[in-house]
Amino acid sequence: QVHLVQSGAEVKKPGTSVKVSCKTSGGTFRSFAIHWVRQAPGQGLEWMGVIIPIFGTTNFARKFQGRVTFTEDESASTAYMELSSLTSEDTAIYFCAKSDAYTYASGGFAPWGQGTLVTVSS
Amino acid sequence: EIVLTQSPGSLSLSPGERATLSCRTSQTISTSYLAWYHQKPGQAPRLLIYATSTRATDIPDRFSGSGSGTDFTLTISRLEPEDSAVYYCQQYHSAIWTFGQGTKVEIK
Repeated sequence: QVHLVQSGAEVKKPGTSVKVSCKTSGGTFRSFAIHWVRQAPGQGLEWMGVIIPIFGTTNFARKFQGRVTFTEDESASTAYMELSSLTSEDTAIYFCAKSDAYTYASGGFAPWGQGTLVTVSS
Repeated sequence: EIVLTQSPGSLSLSPGERATLSCRTSQTISTSYLAWYHQKPGQAPRLLIYATSTRATDIPDRFSGSGSGTDFTLTISRLEPEDSAVYYCQQYHSAIWTFGQGTKVEIK
């Protein structure tokens, strides 16, 4: 059974960057697509993008292009999301979630990490 | 970008009743690319249904999905107290995923 465990809460100043990790266990990391989804306080879910290590590809929602970077370390079975130029509007819970690399479009996202709260405040 | 519109915004029903949640997409999508999740307070979302009508692992059969084209439905046939949650639909099209705004289901 696959599990995703994310790094802890962060408090950041406006204009800085944050890097969140998502460690996977119980499966074959290279067979995963790792998505990043965020949820602002009291709001809905917003897909940010995806990294598919076996294909060496990333894709981003238009509003995050140029400001978010996805990386992965296969040896640590861990994916990372770095968001730069933070503003108060980036205050949110950031989730990672897995889909299968080969059926990433149709299989849904499961499981999800527990979420990482990122607070941007001066 | 395809926009998903969920209705109603919220509903309040009693245990044992049937809940019908709607998700309308702004363009026709493949039935292979429509999923449903629920999210309970303080928890991560959980996949319920993928490919419009396939239940995810360990999801009880009181949850069912249907639809095609631009209109999709999640039905909870016999509500139980633990079904209280926000329900989201999600679609994939042209390498982009988007979520609906959610339907809050309250169990009286």
